[in-house]
Amino acid sequence: KQEVTQIPAALSVPEGENLVLNCSFTDSAIYNLQWFRQDPGKGLTSLLLIQSSQREQTSGRLNASLDKSSGRSTLYIAASQPGDSATYLCAVRPKGGGANSKLTFGKGITLSVRP
Amino acid sequence: DVKVTQSSRYLVKRTGEKVFLECVQDMDHENMFWYRQDPGLGLRLIYFSYDVKMKEKGDIPEGYSVSREKKERFSLILESASTNQTSMYLCASSSGGQVYEQYFGPGTRLTVT
Repeated sequence: KQEVTQIPAALSVPEGENLVLNCSFTDSAIYNLQWFRQDPGKGLTSLLLIQSSQREQTSGRLNASLDKSSGRSTLYIAASQPGDSATYLCAVRPKGGGANSKLTFGKGITLSVRP
Repeated sequence: DVKVTQSSRYLVKRTGEKVFLECVQDMDHENMFWYRQDPGLGLRLIYFSYDVKMKEKGDIPEGYSVSREKKERFSLILESASTNQTSMYLCASSSGGQVYEQYFGPGTRLTVT
């Protein structure tokens, strides 16, 4: 059974720091991996999706990498800002099952960027 | 932009009431999902649907049912609400193709008293 782990559960950094959020998964047979952001009391916003054949994806100050063989993904945030404060979740889609397969989510990392 | 909307942001119901949560997406997505999110437990899948009138149980279907009569609409039904169903409920949708990126609605905070 696929398990997705995000450690630490919470992180506090000063504004301006470059930071890396980690996501690990136990079964490397994945179709893709998706990073989400969630603000308190709100739904999830999709940030980046990496297909299993890709190594990384970039959007603005965000860069997500994927190393399937080691079961790891990282979300890199450049020059962090207080507005980046939120919970970041990763989720993997397994191979097989076609479009009916379900995502497995990590529990998220709550990031606080101090002004 | 993909838009997923949910019928209510906040809902307060009494124990034993029948509760309907509705979700609508505007991107002609084949797949739709209902999750609940609780502190310390993360996101848990209740039900999902991969086509109109088709549904499959997720990890925690007990006490819930779903309905998908039209492609754009997916309803979650609590047959007899209980206090342990107090939670944040999140709806999501995705295409059935290769990309399969999930998009979420804003969530419904349900309190059962």
